[in-house]
Amino acid sequence: DAGVTQSPTHLIKTRGQQVTLRCSPKSGHDTVSWYQQALGQGPQFIFQYYEEEERQRGNFPDRFSGHQFPNYSSELNVNALLLGDSALYLCASSPISGSSYEQYFGPGTRLTVT
Amino acid sequence: KQEVTQIPAALSVPEGENLVLNCSFTDSAIYNLQWFRQDPGKGLTSLLLIQSSQREQTSGRLNASLDKSSGRSTLYIAASQPGDSATYLCAPSVGGGKLIFGQGTELSVKP
Repeated sequence: DAGVTQSPTHLIKTRGQQVTLRCSPKSGHDTVSWYQQALGQGPQFIFQYYEEEERQRGNFPDRFSGHQFPNYSSELNVNALLLGDSALYLCASSPISGSSYEQYFGPGTRLTVT
Repeated sequence: KQEVTQIPAALSVPEGENLVLNCSFTDSAIYNLQWFRQDPGKGLTSLLLIQSSQREQTSGRLNASLDKSSGRSTLYIAASQPGDSATYLCAPSVGGGKLIFGQGTELSVKP
C-alpha cells in the first residue's frame, strides 16, 4: 500500500515565476492538506481540500492556490514566487474531513527560489 | 489562537537513557494530538495519535501522555538508541484536521 507521494522531490525556480507541486494521498484517504516548513521551523498549515473544494485556509496570501481532482490527488500552485517562499512543502492526507483522524505526511518537495 | 511550544529545543543524550520531550499548547479545545518524527530534509513520520478523550498511548518504546486541561503532552522514549536521533514534533488538531506545530525538539543519541 503506497503512502502519500509527492512530486517533484526538488525544484529550483527564479523569483517571479510560478510553480506547481503535486500530491497523491494514501490509499483510502480523501482529504489532503498542504503545509509549508521553513528551515528550522515547524510546518505551517496552508490549506485543506476535501470533495474538490478548499475547506480551510491558513494565513497565506492568495498567491497560494490549490486544486483537488476526482481521484483525490491535489496540486499546490504558487504564483509570483518570492525568495521567502523557499521551503519544504509537505502534503498530508487523512481518511475523511474530520478532526479525529491520523494525518499521514509525504516526503515533501524542497522548493528553492533564487 | 493556538500556540505550541516544545521544550527543550535540543537534547543530546548517551545511548540507553530514558528521556522525556515536552509539548505545551495554549488552547485546550483540541480534537487530538499527534507526535511526529522528522529526519533531516525528510517528511514527517507519525509516531502516536492521542484522541482528546484519551490520557496516553503506547507504541513499542514510545509512550505519549495528554493532559488537555493543562495544555500539556509528553513523549517518553525508553532505552534510547542512536537511530532515535531526529527532530520530534508535536501537533494538536484544532478542527477539521488542521494541525498546529511547535518548532520541535532536536534529539541526538550518542553511541
